[in-house]
Amino acid sequence: QQQVKQSPQSLIVQKGGISIINCAYENTAFDYFPWYQQFPGKGPALLIAIRPDVSEKKEGRFTISFNKSAKQFSLHIMDSQPGDSATYFCAASMEGAQKLVFGQGTRLTINP
Amino acid sequence: DTGVSQDPRHKITKRGQNVTFRCDPISEHNRLYWYRQTLGQGPEFLTYFQNEAQLEKSRLLSDRFSAERPKGSFSTLEIQRTEQGDSAMYLCASSLAAVSEQYFGPGTRLTVT
Repeated sequence: QQQVKQSPQSLIVQKGGISIINCAYENTAFDYFPWYQQFPGKGPALLIAIRPDVSEKKEGRFTISFNKSAKQFSLHIMDSQPGDSATYFCAASMEGAQKLVFGQGTRLTINP
Repeated sequence: DTGVSQDPRHKITKRGQNVTFRCDPISEHNRLYWYRQTLGQGPEFLTYFQNEAQLEKSRLLSDRFSAERPKGSFSTLEIQRTEQGDSAMYLCASSLAAVSEQYFGPGTRLTVT
């Protein structure tokens, strides 16, 4: 019940295209859902996050869509660029800045 | 630089040796977390502190692992009698207690030979 399942494991998108990564969770006590971007040899960097009281949040080219009833959320990267090539992790946590439970990661490659 | 810092960035040790890692959080953050990440996997929670109090430990944190945050500022993670299975990236993150955003450091890559 603590798991967060992420798909796909890897994704190749052409430059300028839309990258979509999906996550699903079981624990309804989760109330905070961030996405992290990680480059090889670096720590994860917080990209964007959402709480269940909204269905969508957009920051620049990055959008989170959240479906509370389906217990799913997704990351959309618009106008994908080669510099977006990285591993992306979804995560979830419960109220009060407690531990993050991470998905397995998606390796995104943007072809020029 | 005002982000989370970790030292050392890389550590190679022989099986059976003890190692210690340090994490300096963002200065105003009173929560500090340790995670472990193996190749191709997402980070896994190990333990976290609020100020100097260790509030939760994962089952992943065996008796060979100990973490401290003596003055509520920096933290250390010690692994005793290292095993090859301890080879991983050890990540530190910090946050304000009242909000959920966790900011990660660059990690310490441990290789046990």
